[in-house]
Amino acid sequence: GENVEQHPSTLSVQEGDSAVIKCTYSDSASNYFPWYKQELGKRPQLIIDIRSNVGEKKDQRIAVTLNKTAKHFSLHITETQPEDSAVYFCAAVPTSGNTGKLIFGQGTTLQVKP
Amino acid sequence: GAGVSQSPSNKVTEKGKDVELRCDPISGHTALYWYRQSLGQGLEFLIYFQGNSAPDKSGLPSDRFSAERTGGSVSTLTIQRTQQEDSAVYLCASSSSGNQETQYFGPGTRLLVL
Repeated sequence: GENVEQHPSTLSVQEGDSAVIKCTYSDSASNYFPWYKQELGKRPQLIIDIRSNVGEKKDQRIAVTLNKTAKHFSLHITETQPEDSAVYFCAAVPTSGNTGKLIFGQGTTLQVKP
Repeated sequence: GAGVSQSPSNKVTEKGKDVELRCDPISGHTALYWYRQSLGQGLEFLIYFQGNSAPDKSGLPSDRFSAERTGGSVSTLTIQRTQQEDSAVYLCASSSSGNQETQYFGPGTRLLVL
């Protein structure tokens, strides 16, 4: 089945710097890759997603890139702000079974220092 | 409109007791998912419902875990004879139709088994 690896597990940046989180997946047939942000004690919330027919997607300070050949995708946050501090999860959706279930990475704890 | 809701928000139980966790998805969403988030772990898929059917139960950790969904809406996750390793946050998510659709998460039920 699908397996998703996420790095780094923790990331500390200075306010205004960029942050990059990387994920690799094992199932070449996976076709949907969402990113979720989870603040302490809160529910995960979708921040951006990308489908396999697209190489890059951007939404204001957040962008995601997908390399299908290498089976990896990355989250880029520019001009980081303290409110970006949270745990970020990448996920992949395998096509087998057509269920839409999310296979998550282990998460990255991002700390943005003022 | 109302988002995904879950109850109870917290549950403390003794080892060996049964517990029921409830999920109310977004109205009209046919797809419903249960995930488990253990301390320091990522989110782990448990079960997927499409309408009242559960075509993917592959993530349920043992036969002590079961779930049902009635009326294409409310879902209940039941854990029988709870064990300490069942302690986790149980998250429910729903999406409009399933595959490649945004999953909206509930606030979770934090289960502690003493």
